[in-house]
Amino acid sequence: DAGVIQSPRHEVTEMGQEVTLRCKPISGHNSLFWYRQTMMRGLELLIYFNNNVPIDDSGMPEDRFSAKMPNASFSTLKIQPSEPRDSAVYFCASSYSVDRPLSYTFGSGTRLTVV
Amino acid sequence: AQSVTQPDIHITVSEGASLELRCNYSYGATPYLFWYVQSPGQGLQLLLKYFSGDTLVQGIKGFEAEFKRSQSSFNLRKPSVHWSDAAEYFCAVVYTGTASKLTFGTGTRLQVTL
Repeated sequence: DAGVIQSPRHEVTEMGQEVTLRCKPISGHNSLFWYRQTMMRGLELLIYFNNNVPIDDSGMPEDRFSAKMPNASFSTLKIQPSEPRDSAVYFCASSYSVDRPLSYTFGSGTRLTVV
Repeated sequence: AQSVTQPDIHITVSEGASLELRCNYSYGATPYLFWYVQSPGQGLQLLLKYFSGDTLVQGIKGFEAEFKRSQSSFNLRKPSVHWSDAAEYFCAVVYTGTASKLTFGTGTRLQVTL
């Protein structure tokens, strides 16, 4: 298994531009999570999906952020318009929610820089 | 709300010395507890996890952790640290009934001196 695949690895964009981050979870996993990591706030859960349905988006900072999971093998996190304070590393993770014990696999992350 | 506390932001140990990283979770329902490691510029790698049963859990790279319900703690230990262990370590928790929401502590940065 190739693991959780995120793209791009690095993204540099200008303030005001739209940014789309992509994630392919592990095949067979039915839960997907988007995290943001910054020096100031650490690892924050933004949103997570179970069986392609958003379960909890309380961590999404504001309306500029949106996430979708159109099918079990793909998710996007979009920021529109982007701002410099959105600069962070964004991680995607997946798991199989029925498994006990639970196990989460993280992607390598997307480092976003908004200038 | 579920939370995890890692009281030590930064720890420095000498190579070959023993290590203990502290983690406390907020008291509540049965927790699932995890330790992850992150090397600079890298993703998160699972070291070990506790679900139930034996409270002493063995992980990869020679790490172990002990679950102590009475102290709400899940401290990570290693008897002899190697220079390659320098990284950031995160404790995380999921509570049963919270639909798999994994919450992280703020992390402890480990520096290893030669």
